[in-house]
Amino acid sequence: SQTIHQWPATLVQPVGSPLSLECTVEGTSNPNLYWYRQAAGRGLQLLFYSVGIGQISSEVPQNLSASRPQDRQFILSSKKLLLSDSGFYLCAWRQRAKANEKLFFGSGTQLSVL
Amino acid sequence: GENVEQHPSTLSVQEGDSAVIKCTYSDSASNYFPWYKQELGKRPQLIIDIRSNVGEKKDQRIAVTLNKTAKHFSLHITETQPEDSAVYFCAASKVIKAAGNKLTFGGGTRVLVKP
Repeated sequence: SQTIHQWPATLVQPVGSPLSLECTVEGTSNPNLYWYRQAAGRGLQLLFYSVGIGQISSEVPQNLSASRPQDRQFILSSKKLLLSDSGFYLCAWRQRAKANEKLFFGSGTQLSVL
Repeated sequence: GENVEQHPSTLSVQEGDSAVIKCTYSDSASNYFPWYKQELGKRPQLIIDIRSNVGEKKDQRIAVTLNKTAKHFSLHITETQPEDSAVYFCAASKVIKAAGNKLTFGGGTRVLVKP
C-alpha cells in the first residue's frame, strides 16, 4: 500500500532563517506531487506541483521554492522566512496514470515564524 | 484560473438535522468535484466526489449534487452526528494535459454538530 511521510510535524523558526520541509511517498512510482498551504481558518492554497523529477510548477509568487530531486521526494524550501510564511503545510500525492483521482495528503507541518 | 467559492464559512446544526454546504466554480472546463473532510489537527481526507457526467451521487448519509449550467455543487449531510463535526472543503479540477490535474479548493466550512 502507498504511504506518504511528511516531516517535521511542527516547526518554530525565526524570521530570516532558512526552511526545508520534506515529503516522501512510498509504494508507488511516478506520482504527481503537491505542496499546499493552509492559513489559520482558511482554505487550502496550492503552492507547487510536480509531474516528474526536476519538474516544478509554481502557482503563486512567493518566498518559497520547491524541488524534486528523486521520483518520490518533494522538498519545500526558503532561504529567508517571513512572518507571512506561517501556516500549516501539506504535501499530497496523486497517481499520475489516472485522471482526477483523489489526493492523498501527508500529516502536515505546522510552521510558526516568529 | 479556477476560482472556487464556498459557503457558509461556519455552520452549526443540531444533532439529527441536515447540513448543506454550497460551492460555486468559475471554469466551465472543470469536470471533477471532490469533497474533503478535515478533523481537528488531522489531514484532509476525501469523503465523496462527483464527475461532470452525473448530477447527483449518494453515499449513506452524504450526497453531492452538481449543476453544470449554473456552475455550482453542494454537499448534503443528513441525520448529522457529533463525529460529522469538522472542516469540509469542496474542490474543482480539470485535466491539464501533461501536467495532471490541479485541485482548486474552496475556503472551507467549519461544521459543528451540537448534541
